Amino acid sequence: KQEVTQIPAALSVPEGENLVLNCSFTDSAIYNLQWFRQDPGKGLTSLLLIQSSQREQTSGRLNASLDKSSGRSTLYIAASQPGDSATYLCAVSRGTDKLIFGTGTRLQVFP
Amino acid sequence: DVKVTQSSRYLVKRTGEKVFLECVQDMDHENMFWYRQDPGLGLRLIYFSYDVKMKEKGDIPEGYSVSREKKERFSLILESASTNQTSMYLCASSLSSLLQGVAENEQFFGPGTRLTVL
Repeated sequence: KQEVTQIPAALSVPEGENLVLNCSFTDSAIYNLQWFRQDPGKGLTSLLLIQSSQREQTSGRLNASLDKSSGRSTLYIAASQPGDSATYLCAVSRGTDKLIFGTGTRLQVFP
Repeated sequence: DVKVTQSSRYLVKRTGEKVFLECVQDMDHENMFWYRQDPGLGLRLIYFSYDVKMKEKGDIPEGYSVSREKKERFSLILESASTNQTSMYLCASSLSSLLQGVAENEQFFGPGTRLTVL
């Protein structure tokens, strides 16, 4: 059974730091991995999708990598800003259309 | 841009009431999903629909039913609301992996409905 874990559960950093969020999964037979952002009380916003054949994806200050064989993905946020404060969720594909989610990393960036 | 909307942001109901949560997407997506999100448990799939009038149970379907009469609309129904159904409910949609490669398939989420059952 696929399990997705995100460590740490919470992170607090000063503005300007580069940081890494981790996601691990137990079954390497995935089609893709998605990173989402969730602001308090809101829905999920898709940040990046990495296909199983890809190693990384970039969008602005965000870079996500995928190592299927070791069951790991990282989300790298460069030059963090207070506006980056949110919960970050990773999810891996299950079967053809469904996702399994981690429980998230709650990030706070303080000025 | 894909837009997924949910009928209410906040909803307060009483135990035993029948509750309808509505979700509409405007991108002609085949797949639609209902999740609930609870602290410490993450997002859990309640029901999934891969076409009009087609549905599939997720991980926690007990106490819920769904309806998909039109492609753009997916409704979650709580037949008799209970306090343990107090939660954040999230709807999502995606293209079918039969039309778009499985690896490229991306889910898009609505803003969520915070349901409180008293």
